[in-house]
Amino acid sequence: AQSVTQPDIHITVSEGASLELRCNYSYGATPYLFWYVQSPGQGLQLLLKYFSGDTLVQGIKGFEAEFKRSQSSFNLRKPSVHWSDAAEYFCAVGARNKAAGNKLTFGGGTRVLVKP
Amino acid sequence: GEEVAQTPKHLVRGEGQKAKLYCAPIKGHSYVFWYQQVLKNEFKFLISFQNENVFDETGMPKERFSAKCLPNSPCSLEIQATKLEDSAVYFCASSQEESLGYTFGSGTRLTVV
Repeated sequence: AQSVTQPDIHITVSEGASLELRCNYSYGATPYLFWYVQSPGQGLQLLLKYFSGDTLVQGIKGFEAEFKRSQSSFNLRKPSVHWSDAAEYFCAVGARNKAAGNKLTFGGGTRVLVKP
Repeated sequence: GEEVAQTPKHLVRGEGQKAKLYCAPIKGHSYVFWYQQVLKNEFKFLISFQNENVFDETGMPKERFSAKCLPNSPCSLEIQATKLEDSAVYFCASSQEESLGYTFGSGTRLTVV
């Protein structure tokens, strides 16, 4: 069974500083990988996704993520955080095996707080 | 439209009452998913549809939960005889093909009192 771990429950960062959110997954092969952001009281917005090819993926809002097969990781980064980036971030994996179903497995989320 | 529309936004039910949630997926998206988000942020997969057909229902507590996606109607998730632990935000999502990254609705917050 696949699983996703986001080791950091909370991260506080100063506005303008860089941000890195960690995501590790457990899966028999390379899954589909996603990062979503959830603002308070809102749904999930897709930031970026990795299916294949270049392991450095660019997303919306200035975010990027790097897939590292050897570490089973898909960490999310942003060079300079804005106050509007304060939110909950979720890493998710999806199986490539259609027979296994197409549901996503989510990590527990990382809450990002931005200090002025 | 280009958004997944979920109604209602909030729903309060007494324990034992029925709750019905609705989801209109993005036009042209053939996959619909339901997830339950409980207070500690855990997302639990409930069920997915490919068009009107159940694709994966491994997450559904079948004794009280049911779901449908009928042609020309919003999809629905129904909970018979709600329990306190059903209190959660229920998210619907749709996608054009499996595993391409869903578009999520803004959720329905169900409170069972």
